[in-house]
Amino acid sequence: DGGITQSPKYLFRKEGQNVTLSCEQNLNHDAMYWYRQDPGQGLRLIYYSQIVNDFQKGDIAEGYSVSREKKESFPLTVTSAQKNPTAFYLCATHTQGVDLPNQPQHFGDGTRLSIL
Amino acid sequence: AQSVTQLGSHVSVSEGALVLLRCNYSSSVPPYLFWYVQYPNQGLQLLLKYTTGATLVKGINGFEAEFKKSETSFHLTKPSAHMSDAAEYFCAVSRGGYQKVTFGTGTKLQVIP
Repeated sequence: DGGITQSPKYLFRKEGQNVTLSCEQNLNHDAMYWYRQDPGQGLRLIYYSQIVNDFQKGDIAEGYSVSREKKESFPLTVTSAQKNPTAFYLCATHTQGVDLPNQPQHFGDGTRLSIL
Repeated sequence: AQSVTQLGSHVSVSEGALVLLRCNYSSSVPPYLFWYVQYPNQGLQLLLKYTTGATLVKGINGFEAEFKKSETSFHLTKPSAHMSDAAEYFCAVSRGGYQKVTFGTGTKLQVIP
């Protein structure tokens, strides 16, 4: 089945530790996104990538890093510089084209990160 | 700039009653609008989208939304609520293409038996 796989489902971070959240897609979509979701705040964009080996900061990139070495993969690292990492993290993909105007974003099932 | 306002962070309806979730947007260009649904500990699923053309958009699970340009609104409705509709609903706006999608803060729908 085509889809987006986020792993792990639950993740715990110790103080001073970096952790990496995985996002893999087999939809052949060009663009990939990372959002952070906190109660009552909706979704906030962390980073996005529209093409392999290129990515841009979103609205809340501080304390996070990403890479896009393959079209299928867009891992997010939550660094120790992110002082309040507890949240639900969502990965999304997107595609556009002349014959596919205004397609919606597709979402994975998320990773819930907590501090130990 | 674009923004989305969802009125009411929590809405409760009785099973079988009308569901109305409100969304107002602002956009400097004609918008593309979306409604998503999120069940606990899951990602967002697309309910419906508005691009251009017909202002009444039908989605999955019996939901529909009406685009009203004069009111800058895109409210989500369902004639008869079902217990399985209990979830959080997000309205979103985009300028199209790979332009940024802006999400509202969400409305949690509770369905009372």
